[in-house]
Amino acid sequence: RKEVEQDPGPFNVPEGATVAFNCTYSNSASQSFFWYRQDCRKEPKLLMSVYSSGNEDGRFTAQLNRASQYISLLIRDSKLSDSATYLCVANGAAGNKLTFGGGTRVLVKP
Amino acid sequence: DTEVTQTPKHLVMGMTNKKSLKCEQHMGHRAMYWYKQKAKKPPELMFVYSYEKLSINESVPSRFSPECPNSSLLNLHLHALQPEDSALYLCASSPTDRGNTEAFFGQGTRLTVV
Repeated sequence: RKEVEQDPGPFNVPEGATVAFNCTYSNSASQSFFWYRQDCRKEPKLLMSVYSSGNEDGRFTAQLNRASQYISLLIRDSKLSDSATYLCVANGAAGNKLTFGGGTRVLVKP
Repeated sequence: DTEVTQTPKHLVMGMTNKKSLKCEQHMGHRAMYWYKQKAKKPPELMFVYSYEKLSINESVPSRFSPECPNSSLLNLHLHALQPEDSALYLCASSPTDRGNTEAFFGQGTRLTVV
């Protein structure tokens, strides 16, 4: 079983719609969680950190459920520019070692 | 400024060549990383440097040799690579080596081994 697992998608989303997807992690010792966004042939860019209380940044909302060991990302009012691969990342199980999920591909269409 | 700079952006090398990838950050971050990413796969950790010392080596073949000359610089020396080593090599840095800090990535070096 992979340490961090994601639905690879693609999630085909009409422009203006809401999309949400989850990520599960297997190591209960993981301390911190992040969502990164990666565009084709580009580097991963930090989208947001995920806090236990949940956090929101504009149209993006992240939630952490430690009991069930998953994190989620919700995108409201999707824009064409939101089309990307979203990488779920867990950190802290062993040193400062980011462990990436396989990524969820989101395609926003007009 | 959350900038990590990598050079070169593209590199083509033969299997008998020796080359180096370079990474630089001026954010005062004390942890630096090398990741390898193949097409349609997530980044895979290779090495972690913490306070200029190698703290994690993910069983990387010796044909990849990391070096951290100072707190701002990270190199990856390449020698006798194989075609399957062709990939995007990403450098990243984070403020500390504790498990609660996010990492920032450079644009990567796209390496092709011929």
